[in-house]
Amino acid sequence: DTTVKQNPRYKLARVGKPVNLICSQTMNHDTMYWYQKKPNQAPKLLLFYYDKILNREADTFEKFQSSRPNNSFCSLYIGSAGLEYSAMYLCASSPDCNQAPLFGEGTRLSVL
Amino acid sequence: GDSVTQTEGPVTVSESESLIINCTYSATSIAYPNLFWYVRYPGEGLQLLLKVITAGQKGSSRGFEATYNKETTSFHLQKASVQESDSAVYYCALGDFFGGSNYKLTFGKGTLLTVTP
Repeated sequence: DTTVKQNPRYKLARVGKPVNLICSQTMNHDTMYWYQKKPNQAPKLLLFYYDKILNREADTFEKFQSSRPNNSFCSLYIGSAGLEYSAMYLCASSPDCNQAPLFGEGTRLSVL
Repeated sequence: GDSVTQTEGPVTVSESESLIINCTYSATSIAYPNLFWYVRYPGEGLQLLLKVITAGQKGSSRGFEATYNKETTSFHLQKASVQESDSAVYYCALGDFFGGSNYKLTFGKGTLLTVTP
């Protein structure tokens, strides 16, 4: 299977509640990324794992957590959702830096 | 930081007409980043259209072409004759290194293309 899978496709959350989004791939890719996409904005990198090492962008450092218990699986965790978290969340993976990252279909999160 | 600027949409083109979507970039870590065009068709995920990792070379796919121009720091997307099925959102992106061997993509805002019959 050469796809990146994201679950769920749509997620509804309440303000102040936690949110956990899931991404998986079985291509043995070393790097897995999470991007946030809002309307009329560029996809924005939130964090990525290179193997077991997590790198988070400075401006979103405190807002998002992630875990990667094995090579295939990566989650994105929001401890307390706010309205500003409503967006499409895109997961991607790549075997190395010269290969274009492969994206999943995304999870659309709506926070109410 | 890195940045990518592309044609603001929406762009509407008639079928069989030519298309150009402009893209310019700025990379902070390396002189010659990898350059990509991604596309998102309605109801689908983001997928790679073409990529070029060597300055001066041209990439092509599905009738689209883009040339990596390091002098003008541009990577414009062109197609000689568009079809209705090309209607989609197109994203220009650059791949750059930071913090040693860490690598990430920086995207433009995307250009919505509508091809009319």
